[in-house]
Amino acid sequence: AQSVTQPDIHITVSEGASLELRCNYSYGATPYLFWYVQSPGQGLQLLLKYFSGDTLVQGIKGFEAEFKRSQSSFNLRKPSVHWSDAAEYFCAVGNTNAGKSTFGDGTTLTVKP
Amino acid sequence: GAVVSQHPSWVICKSGTSVKIECRSLDFQATTMFWYRQFPKQSLMLMATSNEGSKATYEQGVEKDKFLINHASLTLSTLTVTSAHPEDSSFYICSALAGGPNTQYFGPGTRLTVL
Repeated sequence: AQSVTQPDIHITVSEGASLELRCNYSYGATPYLFWYVQSPGQGLQLLLKYFSGDTLVQGIKGFEAEFKRSQSSFNLRKPSVHWSDAAEYFCAVGNTNAGKSTFGDGTTLTVKP
Repeated sequence: GAVVSQHPSWVICKSGTSVKIECRSLDFQATTMFWYRQFPKQSLMLMATSNEGSKATYEQGVEKDKFLINHASLTLSTLTVTSAHPEDSSFYICSALAGGPNTQYFGPGTRLTVL
């Protein structure tokens, strides 16, 4: 069975500092991997996705993520965080079964001024 | 592109009444949509997979007679919470598959409060 672990429940960074959110997955084959962001009271917005090819994936809002098969990880990074990045971030792994994805428990990002 | 809307964005109802939530794909057709429930400070819990023209597939533990799903067209899926009770109060989110394998685009969610 597939699973996703986001080890950090809550992360606080200063505005302008770099950010890395961790995601580890468990899946038997090459996974489809996603990062989503959710602002309070809103749905989820897709930041980026990985299916195959280049293991460094660029997304929207200046985010990127790197797929590391040897570590079963897909960590999200941003070189300089803005106050508007404060939100909940979800990592997800998809399988070929009817398009379903499994979501991690999320990481809450707080940005200090 | 790939915009999904939900209506209403919030609803308050009395216990025992039924509530219908709509999920629409605005600029694409979606044969598959998903319905999730999210409790505060928690992740998304998949309730069911909605397939256009066929019966929905419910996840284990989700009452199909309680949460009626209809996917009558390629752009619209509806979730009806029947005989709602306070424990059904939650944030309900839909998504639609588009833009590559397993890629889901989410609606903005519907906050349901049952009094």
